[in-house]
Order: sequence, then C-alpha cells, then structure tokens
Amino acid sequence: EAGVAQSPRYKIIEKRQSVAFWCNPISGHATLYWYQQILGQGPKLLIQFQNNGVVDDSQLPKDRFSAERLKGVDSTLKIQPAKLEDSAVYLCASSLRVGTSGWNEQFFGPGTRLTVL
Amino acid sequence: AQKITQTQPGMFVQEKEAVTLDCTYDTSDPSYGLFWYKQPSSGEMIFLIYQGSYDQQNATEGRYSLNFQKARKSANLVISASQLGDSAMYFCAMREANTGFQKLVFGTGTRLLVSP
Repeated sequence: EAGVAQSPRYKIIEKRQSVAFWCNPISGHATLYWYQQILGQGPKLLIQFQNNGVVDDSQLPKDRFSAERLKGVDSTLKIQPAKLEDSAVYLCASSLRVGTSGWNEQFFGPGTRLTVL
Repeated sequence: AQKITQTQPGMFVQEKEAVTLDCTYDTSDPSYGLFWYKQPSSGEMIFLIYQGSYDQQNATEGRYSLNFQKARKSANLVISASQLGDSAMYFCAMREANTGFQKLVFGTGTRLLVSP
C-alpha cells in the first residue's frame, strides 16, 4: 500500500514570495491533516479536512495561509506572502474517516522542508 | 499552559539497554488518548503506541511499552533492548475527546541517541 505522498521535499524562497505544497493521501482515507513543524518543536495542526470539508482550521493563519482539498482526495497548502517565521517542515497526514470518539491512526508523509530567506 | 511536556531534550543509551522517555500531560477531559511517535532523520512521523485514558492496562507494542500513571498525568515510553535504528526524535501527543475529530497536540520531543 502506497503511503502519503508530498511534494516538493524541499523549497527555498525569499520572503514575500508565494509557495504551494501538494499532498496525496493514502487511498480511501477520508481525513487529511496539514501540520507545521518548526525546528525544535513538535508538529502543530494547521488544518484538518474530512472529505473536502474543513473540520478544524483554528490554528491556520488565514491572512496568508490557505488550503483546499478538491474532490476529497489531493490537497494543496499555499502561503502567500511568506514570512521568515514560516520556515518549517510541513507535514501532511491522513487517516480513515473519524468521528468525535475513538481514534484512527494518522499516517504521515515525509514532509516538505521550507526555508524562507 | 503546555498540554504535553517532554522535559528531556536528549537521551543517550547503549545498544541492548532499556531507556525511558518522559511525558507529562495536562487535561481536564476525562476521556483522552496518549500517543508516541518516532521521527527519524528522514522526517516522517511513525506511530509507535497508543494508550486510552480508560484502558486498565499499560499498552505494549513489541519493544515499546507505555508506563501510564493516570494520577500523576504521566505517560512515559519505555524502549527495551535498544537498537541503533532507534536513534531518532520521539514525540508524545494527546488527543482530547472534547476537541473532537482526532486533533493531536504534540510535545517538543526528545532526541534519542543509541550508541554501539
């Protein structure tokens, strides 16, 4: 079974530029997550989709970050314009459809390392 | 307030020995889950073990066990018979039932180095 795919693996941009990351979850996984992991910290959830609907974007800086999941499969996370503090690894994860109880294992992709100069 | 606290930035252990990675948590929700993930240098997060707040026994998965002390709000990971491949970052995470939809909150991690 193929895992969560992400691209690109690395990206270097200058501040105020735009950047986009792509994620392809495991086939059949209804729930998709984007995490931001700043160096020296644990991952922080930015946004969570269930199929193509957003269920949690409380920690997404909406003035510069946006995300979409068209057709409930692939997802794109965009930063426009980027700031120095956006330098981080952006992790995508997916899991089977979840409700408000119980849990399903989240499978993570390899991440995209973003450097903003 | 920090929901998950990992006080050990780094730990060293010799191959074949056991090591304990500390994790304390803070929640007022009686229903929650605790997770440990491993992050090797390649970057992906690998799920290791899960403990539910109502589970009567400590979780065990192969060489990994979770020392769950509910009254102390601690969920330490024990790795027995360490291997060189265990060298990685280890993250403790919590899911609270009242947040819904599987939201995980992670600690800052502990870097484990296993020496020959």
